[in-house]
Amino acid sequence: ETGVTQSPTHLIKTRGQQVTLRCSSQSGHNTVSWYQQALGQGPQFIFQYYREEENGRGNFPPRFSGLQFPNYSSELNVNALELDDSALYLCASTSFTNTEAFFGQGTRLTVV
Amino acid sequence: EDQVTQSPEALRLQEGESSSLNCSYTVSGLRGLFWYRQDPGKGPEFLFTLYSAGEEKEKERLKATLTKKESFLHITAPKPEDSATYLCAVQDSGTYKYIFGTGTRLKVLA
Repeated sequence: ETGVTQSPTHLIKTRGQQVTLRCSSQSGHNTVSWYQQALGQGPQFIFQYYREEENGRGNFPPRFSGLQFPNYSSELNVNALELDDSALYLCASTSFTNTEAFFGQGTRLTVV
Repeated sequence: EDQVTQSPEALRLQEGESSSLNCSYTVSGLRGLFWYRQDPGKGPEFLFTLYSAGEEKEKERLKATLTKKESFLHITAPKPEDSATYLCAVQDSGTYKYIFGTGTRLKVLA
C-alpha cells in the first residue's frame, strides 16, 4: 500500500454537473499529478502541481482545474461534466527531484 | 509529439516461459522512463525508473533495460501472480508531462 489516498472511491454525477476529487499525497512528497484512465487505456496526464502551482499540463480543456494546498494535498475539479468524462481518476505523488511516483487507488467517476 | 507505444497488447505465457515486453518512445527530452504494474481496479504500482540509455534495473523476476528509442521489460520464469497489465511511461524534461502507453496485458497460466 502506498501513502497516497483518494476520495471518494466511487462517484456518480449527472451531465452538466461539477465534481471535486481529493488526493492526500505521501509524506515527504511535494509534487502531485492527476491522470484520467478510460477502460482498457493507459492513464492520460491531466496536470501536475509543485509547491501549489501548476507546472505541467496535458491536453485537457480548462474545465479541468486543480489546486494544491500547503500540506501538498490536492483537488481535481471538473466543471460541466460530459459523458466522456466517465473514467478512473488517478492521483500520484512524488518528490520533485525523485521521479519515482506512487499512485492512489483512484476515484471511479460515472457521468450519466 | 511525445508518444509511447507498447507491444504486444496482450501476452499469454505458460508458467516458467520467459519473455519480453517492448516500449517504444518518442520524446523531445527524456527526464525518465517508468515501468508500472496495474491490477484490475487498482492504481499503478511503481516498478522501475530508468534515466539514460544503457541503464538496467532488476527486481525479482523482472529486468528493465533502456536504449535511446525503446525499453524492454524482461520477465524470467514468470509465475501466475505476475499476471497484470504492465504500463510504460516517459516524462518530458521540458514540459514535465507524463505520457503513458496503453499497456501490455500479461496472463501467466499455471
